[in-house]
Amino acid sequence: DQQVKQNSPSLSVQEGRISILNCDYTNSMFDYFLWYKKYPAEGPTFLISISSIKDKNEDGRFTVFLNKSAKHLSLHIVPSQPGDSAVYFCAASVAFGTSYGKLTFGQGTILTVHP
Amino acid sequence: GAGVSQTPSNKVTEKGKYVELRCDPISGHTALYWYRQSLGQGPEFLIYFQGTGAADDSGLPNDRFFAVRPEGSVSTLKIQRTERGDSAVYLCASSFRGGNQETQYFGPGTRLLVL
Repeated sequence: DQQVKQNSPSLSVQEGRISILNCDYTNSMFDYFLWYKKYPAEGPTFLISISSIKDKNEDGRFTVFLNKSAKHLSLHIVPSQPGDSAVYFCAASVAFGTSYGKLTFGQGTILTVHP
Repeated sequence: GAGVSQTPSNKVTEKGKYVELRCDPISGHTALYWYRQSLGQGPEFLIYFQGTGAADDSGLPNDRFFAVRPEGSVSTLKIQRTERGDSAVYLCASSFRGGNQETQYFGPGTRLLVL
């Protein structure tokens, strides 16, 4: 039972253009969402997060959008740079209660930004 | 400052053998998580420690898997009677107090291959 899904295994974008990575979830208890970035042979690195009380969070070139009714979130990278090429994981958790920040991850999307 | 470190970086073992994987969290972080990432998948939660105690071990796949954190710092994940299906990257993460919206910092992982 995949509670967090990233349906696009890969995405290829030209440098300077927008990259849009998508993520869907099924568990309505999730109310905190994160994006992690992973380079080969390294651990995932936190990128940006959003709480369910918001529908948008921005940090520099990175913006995350949340559509709760559709149980969908997306990560926008503008402008895309070759150094952004990595695997991007969407993750979710239950922000309140006793979940202790346990993260549920999607399968990942490989982003390639071409110069 | 030093990040999360994991040793060994790679481990090759034979089916049926016993292995130990070590995680050294960021100094001062009381929360420690173990995740497992199989090929083509996102990380999956295994166990969460708050201090010395395992507060949530619901992700451990079976009783061949066990983890300890005797002094509230370094943690060891132990796998008995390894099976080929245990082959994966084992990731460790730590956070300051284990709060539900705290950033988890990941180590580079231990790549386990069971032959």
